[in-house]
Amino acid sequence: DAGITQSPRHKVTETGTPVTLRCHQTENHRYMYWYRQDPGHGLRLIHYSYGVKDTDKGEVSDGYSVSRSKTEDFLLTLESATSSQTSVYFCATSNSNQPQHFGDGTRLSIL
Amino acid sequence: AQKVTQAQTEISVVEKEDVTLDCVYETRDTTYYLFWYKQPPSGELVFLIRRNSFDEQNEISGRYSWNFQKSTSSFNFTITASQVVDSAVYFCALSEASRTSGTYKYIFGTGTRLKVLA
Repeated sequence: DAGITQSPRHKVTETGTPVTLRCHQTENHRYMYWYRQDPGHGLRLIHYSYGVKDTDKGEVSDGYSVSRSKTEDFLLTLESATSSQTSVYFCATSNSNQPQHFGDGTRLSIL
Repeated sequence: AQKVTQAQTEISVVEKEDVTLDCVYETRDTTYYLFWYKQPPSGELVFLIRRNSFDEQNEISGRYSWNFQKSTSSFNFTITASQVVDSAVYFCALSEASRTSGTYKYIFGTGTRLKVLA
């Protein structure tokens, strides 16, 4: 197992508040990804990182920002949460085109 | 652009039946990788198989088998003699390197929910 820890696992917050989700890995994988999972949409890529301080956008990046200041940690921030961002968020890691290893997910509810 | 289509939203079968989950992909590149993942009711995502675009050999692993056909851009997954424990959502995914940055992104299909009834 890739040793991926997501925190928090569950969060309920109000519209307009900032939210930060953390992904921590212990496998020294180069790539880290943030996805959101919604019914009927499968997994959609929000942002990904291919190295420290190197990030790029995915298909649903609006309203989200990320940071990676060290190999182990990849943070996802919702600057001003909206109800449409209620979702289950998964972090994943990999090396190049190898299989991705996923965290257990964070269930985020925005009221 | 990359695209992965899993047209079957939900499939229900009776235990011991065989079932095939379809995956059709679109890519502009000749080098790419295909994956299948399983998400059981507990919610975690479990890797099942990876296949590169140059390897069209079918693969069998126990009751699971995969049929990769480049001619039809398909990577189908068959479960033989299904069991209740196979009930899950199954995702097909495609990865390829960006031509500009060389970095890898993955595109997932919308998933197929398989229900195996006892």
